[in-house]
Amino acid sequence: DTGVSQNPRHKITKRGQNVTFRCDPISEHNRLYWYRQTLGQGPEFLTYFQNEAQLEKSRLLSDRFSAERPKGSFSTLEIQRTEQGDSAMYLCASSPRTSPESSYNEQFFGPGTRLTVL
Amino acid sequence: DAKTTQPPSMDCAEGRAANLPCNHSTISGNEYVYWYRQIHSQGPQYIIHGLKNNETNEMASLIITEDRKSSTLILPHATLRDTAVYYCIASSYNTDKLIFGTGTRLQVFP
Repeated sequence: DTGVSQNPRHKITKRGQNVTFRCDPISEHNRLYWYRQTLGQGPEFLTYFQNEAQLEKSRLLSDRFSAERPKGSFSTLEIQRTEQGDSAMYLCASSPRTSPESSYNEQFFGPGTRLTVL
Repeated sequence: DAKTTQPPSMDCAEGRAANLPCNHSTISGNEYVYWYRQIHSQGPQYIIHGLKNNETNEMASLIITEDRKSSTLILPHATLRDTAVYYCIASSYNTDKLIFGTGTRLQVFP
């Protein structure tokens, strides 16, 4: 399967614990995005990378959240000291978009990691 | 990015055309209209996008009004597998993030 993969698919944790999610984008896609989705809502943008550089972070991304993309390949999203409000689906997407002038902004989404904080 | 407004839900009989409307009355000249859909328990999937001309691909057609204040996504022959939440997004060419609303939940029935 050459699509975007995310691991784990499900994570249950206790409040206060740290969790880390991994996203493997489609090979050679230089852009990688993280979104969060709560029940009944559309996905909300969190952050994105172009290669290894983190170019934008949403205000939703508090200090407890950190994302990395070492070497411009896979990415990790870590949440420290989890809270019940962090319970959500965390979606990763990648894109081959090469320039801002391109209108082609098709993002390929992974299946998501569902986080439940007890 | 311009705000979009969609009906919360719609029904469509299998085999019939599904016409999903979207209002984007504040859209600016450099903003494209994108459509994505999300089937239950999956990530969103790109369908189509356009600026001012109508567009068609293997999945759907996109009709944009001349004033660009609204658009319609057309699934010409809906199947049960088209049951999903459909999101209309207005996004400028120099913006990378997608701003999703709450979308339209399309239910295709036999």
